[in-house]
Amino acid sequence: NAGVTQTPKFQVLKTGQSMTLQCAQDMNHEYMSWYRQDPGMGLRLIHYSVGAGITDQGEVPNGYNVSRSTTEDFPLRLLSAAPSQTSVYFCASSYSQSGTGLETQYFGPGTRLLVL
Amino acid sequence: GIQVEQSPPDLILQEGANSTLRCNFSDSVNNLQWFHQNPWGQLINLFYIPSGTKQNGRLSATTVATERYSLLYISSSQTTDSGVYFCAVGSSQTGANNLFFGTGTRLTVIP
Repeated sequence: NAGVTQTPKFQVLKTGQSMTLQCAQDMNHEYMSWYRQDPGMGLRLIHYSVGAGITDQGEVPNGYNVSRSTTEDFPLRLLSAAPSQTSVYFCASSYSQSGTGLETQYFGPGTRLLVL
Repeated sequence: GIQVEQSPPDLILQEGANSTLRCNFSDSVNNLQWFHQNPWGQLINLFYIPSGTKQNGRLSATTVATERYSLLYISSSQTTDSGVYFCAVGSSQTGANNLFFGTGTRLTVIP
């Protein structure tokens, strides 16, 4: 298994540009999520999905869109990039069976985004 | 959301020393995980431990859910243990898979 993969590894954008961060997992996990990590802070949840066709907002959703057309893929779209979105973005996946221990989350390697 | 506080924020150890990292959380949880972020940024799950005690080699963790804290023990530390340790929690009210992270403990192990 490749686990959770993310592309690109690094991206520079100009303010106002749009882009899509890709995330894929090959573990047949129902649950997928996107976090951002800013310096000196823990990770914060942006959006999540409990299965294909189902998405919901996390703690910091503004400026981002997601969709989940397949179990494997969960892309994150930046609609109009702003310098405040400079961050490291992590995608994660797990089974969504509460109380079973299967919520153990697996993280991708991250995408480092710089918005000028 | 759930507030998560980790202590200490920074820790410097001599190789071979033991350490205890603490995680306090503000609400009842049914999901608690410890992660290690290595110097290259990769996040690795160490434990899923919403209650009780688990051990994995030189690492062990204990969560006392009724008192809303968890401890991560590192024994005989090695330089490869360096990095940031995060505690993350989730509850059924906010979605057990939706994790709230602390700000981490940065561990540096000196040879």
